[in-house]
Amino acid sequence: GAVVSQHPSRVICKSGTSVKIECRSLDFQATTMFWYRQFPKQSLMLMATSNEGSKATYEQGVEKDKFLINHASLTLSTLTVTSAHPEDSSFYICSARDPTSGSLYEQFFGPGTRLTVL
Amino acid sequence: TQLLEQSPQFLSIQEGENLTVYCNSSSVFSSLQWYRQEPGEGPVLLVTVVTGGEVKKLKRLTFQFGDARKDSSLHITAAQPGDTGLYLCAGAYAGKSTFGDGTTLTVKP
Repeated sequence: GAVVSQHPSRVICKSGTSVKIECRSLDFQATTMFWYRQFPKQSLMLMATSNEGSKATYEQGVEKDKFLINHASLTLSTLTVTSAHPEDSSFYICSARDPTSGSLYEQFFGPGTRLTVL
Repeated sequence: TQLLEQSPQFLSIQEGENLTVYCNSSSVFSSLQWYRQEPGEGPVLLVTVVTGGEVKKLKRLTFQFGDARKDSSLHITAAQPGDTGLYLCAGAYAGKSTFGDGTTLTVKP
């Protein structure tokens, strides 16, 4: 149980274009999803917390107009990187909380999306 | 900001050796999770510890939560190459999870 998928797994785009990444909880309903960014050999950097049906809460320093998050249903959250630039190249990972799991704070992660902006 | 410090940052050992990874903070956490992440993949939950002094075992992995719930350790017995990865601890506080900087473990055959 508690499986999270992400799509696409890899994407290469030209500078100035927008890229949408999907995060789905496959076997549970996730009221809360998280979006992280990870640089090589580093830990996870929380970008935003996404709650179903409400606006995402962004961490300090994360541009909400640059990284658009939509959590339209209990099983789907999307991250859109708008007007992408080479410095946005990174590994983006989503996670979700399963309200039926043993701990409120356990997170189940997707496999990640490798974004390369040329 | 709740800070979690992990040590060591990098660890390279031979197959069969034992190792311990530490996760320390000055804050008290309501629970703490350990995750393992392999290159190019998302982290996978290993365990949650909740009670001060709690010890949990997962095959060759032993997790301990400090009595004051401020620190935790992960001990691996007879490490195998399949244990290679980034180990992350995450402390839960006031509705949020804070991740440590991670320990990159390499087990050489």
